[in-house]
Order: sequence, then structure tokens, then C-alpha cells
Amino acid sequence: SQQGEEDPQALSIQEGENATMNCSYKTSINNLQWYRQNSGRGLVHLILIRSNEREKHSGRLRVTLDTSKKSSSLLITASRAADTASYFCATDASLKRGSTLGRLYFGRGTQLTVWP
Amino acid sequence: GAGVSQSPSNKVTEKGKDVELRCDPISGHTALYWYRQSLGQGLEFLIYFQGNSAPDKSGLPSDRFSAERTGGSVSTLTIQRTQQEDSAVYLCASSTYRTYEQYFGPGTRLTVT
Repeated sequence: SQQGEEDPQALSIQEGENATMNCSYKTSINNLQWYRQNSGRGLVHLILIRSNEREKHSGRLRVTLDTSKKSSSLLITASRAADTASYFCATDASLKRGSTLGRLYFGRGTQLTVWP
Repeated sequence: GAGVSQSPSNKVTEKGKDVELRCDPISGHTALYWYRQSLGQGLEFLIYFQGNSAPDKSGLPSDRFSAERTGGSVSTLTIQRTQQEDSAVYLCASSTYRTYEQYFGPGTRLTVT
């Protein structure tokens, strides 16, 4: 079964508003990543947060991680029409550091639509 | 620099035919991954190569699927006797050893008719 599950499945907002997407996972992780996908093709890495971190920022992106709740959130501030895409969280789900290095488990994604 | 490239970008094949999908990873990246994505779904892990180690094939859905990586660089995913349920976008990614960020290619959209 998939490790990460994003919520909501779809989100529609106006430009300038903030967009918040959530991700829940099932097992212990070393890292959690967020990726973006345009038009069903290649994914682009956005940000990685390690299991010992609680919050991380990158430009207009803010990611939080709560390992006790096995959840993460991605906040995009001051959204733009160009942010329209699918957003995926991905976890490594390594029970032993390095044992399954590299293999990622993806959720089904949140489809974000930002209207001009 | 050049990113991950995949070919062909689109492939339409008849049920029962074999197909080969190619991936050129970023130069110097020792790890290479294949995923597939069905319409509206997340990414399903298929196989993972790391350097000269034995590949992790645990995600391959059946023995009709195989992959190889020659010279630690280019990889080919082969699907034999294709079925309609094989229709999906096949994505390749690469990364450096011991870094977790993966760099994805544009994918190959496979349609089995």
C-alpha cells in the first residue's frame, strides 16, 4: 500500500491566497519530500525535511513535519497561477537507515488550481 | 546541465507486443529508479539500481517486466507481451549516492491498444 496520502485530493483557490496541503504516512521515516508535477509528466523536487526537523522554509514554501502524528503539511504563500500543478509527498519509509536507500513511496497527490 | 532524459516520449503498441523504454540519467548519478503512474494515481515504484549492487526489483509487477542498466549509466525497461493494464506513464529518476532528492525525466507515456 502507498505510504503517503495527501489531503485534500483537489484544492482550488484565487491568486494571492495561501494553499495548504497535508500528507499522512504510516511508518517511521528518515525524510519526507514534496514534489510538484505539471501536466502528468516529470516531477520536480521542491523541498526535503528530515525526521529530526519540525519546520523548513524555501521561498514561498513552508513545510512542517510532526513525526508523532506521522503527518506533514506544505504551505504555499501568495499563490500564483503558475503554481497550478499536482503536489506529492514522498517518504523513504526506511525501517533501518540505508536499508532501502532511495526507494520512495508516493501518495496520490493534491491537484492545486490557482485562478487568476 | 542536462537533466534526465527518456525516450520515446510516447509509445503506442498493440497488446502482446514487447516494448523498450530508455532512460539516460544525469551524468555522475549512481542511483537510478523506475516508477510508473497510472491516470490520476501516485507513483508506483518498479525497480532501483545503485552502482554495481544488485538491483531492487521488488516493485516489478510481473515477470513480463525487466530492466537493466548498462555501464552504470543508461537503463532500459522492457515490458514483454504488453497488456492494456500496462498503459501508464513510466518515469525514470536518478540521484547521487546517499542523497534523497530524486531528479525525474519527462516520462514515457505508454498506451497499449
